[in-house]
Order: sequence, then structure tokens, then C-alpha cells
Amino acid sequence: EDKVVQSPLSLVVHEGDTVTLNCSYEVTNFRSLLWYKQEKKAPTFLFMLTSSGIEKKSGRLSSILDKKELFSILNITATQTGDSAVYLCAVQKYSGGGADGLTFGKGTHLIIQP
Amino acid sequence: KAGVTQTPRYLIKTRGQQVTLSCSPISGHRSVSWYQQTPGQGLQFLFEYFSETQRNKGNFPGRFSGRQFSNSRSEMNVSTLELGDSALYLCASSLATYTEAFFGQGTRLTVV
Repeated sequence: EDKVVQSPLSLVVHEGDTVTLNCSYEVTNFRSLLWYKQEKKAPTFLFMLTSSGIEKKSGRLSSILDKKELFSILNITATQTGDSAVYLCAVQKYSGGGADGLTFGKGTHLIIQP
Repeated sequence: KAGVTQTPRYLIKTRGQQVTLSCSPISGHRSVSWYQQTPGQGLQFLFEYFSETQRNKGNFPGRFSGRQFSNSRSEMNVSTLELGDSALYLCASSLATYTEAFFGQGTRLTVV
């Protein structure tokens, strides 16, 4: 059975801190790993990672994938209260019939205190 | 560029009724996927449509069905509603296979 495990499940830090969120996976026919930020309803796309060792960056956020050890991390530097959200990790598989649906982890609930 | 639009935003239905949810993908996107999100199970894949064809289906009972129209708009139907169907239903659109998926605001369904 496919598994995506995120840690920690919740995290409280102070504004300005740097945080690292973890995502490990066990899936057959892995194709890519995606990160989303969910504040109220719509998960907002952050990154899609397909290759090992290549860091993707967007402002204060960055992410990297390790396909040998089957995990990814999402880093947020100089955190702001607006970064408070649930961060979701999802894995996409290759499928003969077209893309399988994403398999999601339970998410990391990040709270940034002023 | 307009995002993914889901209607309605909120619904309250009675057990045993049926419901239809609608999703309009980003213009030019041909793939539409549906997900159910609950506090206990998280986000779970329901099904995916591409060019009006259902290509993949998650592990949900046959009461959950969907379709996609020629303009890529999609509908999801749940028949014989159960209390456990109360959830946030999210639709995601993708330009093509294996590209990033963009989510709509969701429809919050409450079954009483």
C-alpha cells in the first residue's frame, strides 16, 4: 500500500525562525512529489519535484527531493505569521491508464507566533 | 487567468438524498481530479477525468460518480448520501498528464 508520511504533524515557532518540514514516501512507480500550502480551503501549489538533489526555490521557501532515501524536505526561512498553514506533501505515480491521483500525507500544521 | 471554480461553496443535504457538485477547470486544462478531505482521513483521491474519459478511480463506493463535458467542466455526483459523506470536496485541474495540479476552493458538504 502506498504511504506518504509527514513530520512533524504540528509545529509552533516564532516569527523569524527557520523551519524544516519532512515528507517520506513509499510508493510504487514514483513519478513526482508535490508540496502544497493549505490555509483555509484551496491547497495552493508550491513545488513539484521529480529529480533528486535539485533544490527548488521560491522566495523564502525551498524544497529538495532524495529519491534514494525516499524523502523530501520543505524549508521556510525568516518565517512570517502569514506562513501559518497546513503544509501538504503529495506523491504522483506513473500509471498505464493516465496519471493516478495524488496520494497525500496528513500534513504539517505550522503555527507562526508573532 | 481565472483559477479553478467550484460551485456551490456550501451545501447541506439530508441523509438519503443525492448531490451534484460542479468544477470549472483553469482555461486550457484538460485533466480534472476530485478529492475528498476529512479531518480523519485527510485528502483522498476520488477520480480523474481527461478529455471526457474517466482514467482512474480511487477506493470509493459506486455511489460516487462523475463526468466531464467537452469544455472540460466536470461534475461529481453522490447518491444516497450518508452522514460519513460530510466533507470538503476539492477539484483540481492540470494542463496535462503529470503536470502540477491546481485546486479550487472546494465545496463543503454537510449531511444531516
